Amino acid sequence: EAEVAQSPRYKITEKSQAVAFWCDPISGHATLYWYRQILGQGPELLVQFQDESVVDDSQLPKDRFSAERLKGVDSTLKIQPAELGDSAMYLCACQGGTEAFFGQGTRLTVV
Amino acid sequence: GEDVEQSLFLSVREGDSSVINCTYTDSSSTYLYWYKQEPGAGLQLLTYIFSNMDMKQDQRLTVLLNKKDKHLSLRIADTQTGDSAIYFCAEKGKLIFGQGTELSVKP
Repeated sequence: EAEVAQSPRYKITEKSQAVAFWCDPISGHATLYWYRQILGQGPELLVQFQDESVVDDSQLPKDRFSAERLKGVDSTLKIQPAELGDSAMYLCACQGGTEAFFGQGTRLTVV
Repeated sequence: GEDVEQSLFLSVREGDSSVINCTYTDSSSTYLYWYKQEPGAGLQLLTYIFSNMDMKQDQRLTVLLNKKDKHLSLRIADTQTGDSAIYFCAEKGKLIFGQGTELSVKP
């Protein structure tokens, strides 16, 4: 069964450092989402892509976060500089039709 | 803007039915989803319902949709300890999630 691949699974970084997460969606799924999930809360949408274009990045803190999906396939989410409050699970999801599928996430700890 | 709300906790005994409720605001949603999240894992799609349906049954899961009240529910029959997790409803569009309902199943 096709899966959404995310790496790394876990990341510990010092505050003020740069950090990047990678997502490889299911082949052919045009819509890709990045979410941030703080412990005990629901996923919060950061950015939505349709192919290589950003559909919605209204909740993305653009002073420190950036996201790209250059060829409309895999995507990276970057944080620079990381802050303590960025500690969370970062989830990638993709959608090709009705169903949306999630990766296992990257657990980020900023120390 | 879009908003999804859920009750935070539900505790049931093994073998009982569980009912998890959700309210949403976006009346233009074409699909509504239920996801399950186990500790430290991503979200697993359980089921979804089209907005033109009132009910959908899928094995132990029954989804009820009241469009007038913008209310969605998930019933789990014969709840098992393996059903213990956090359950999220979400609406299509921007795929907005609620805070999740933590289901605890006691033996």
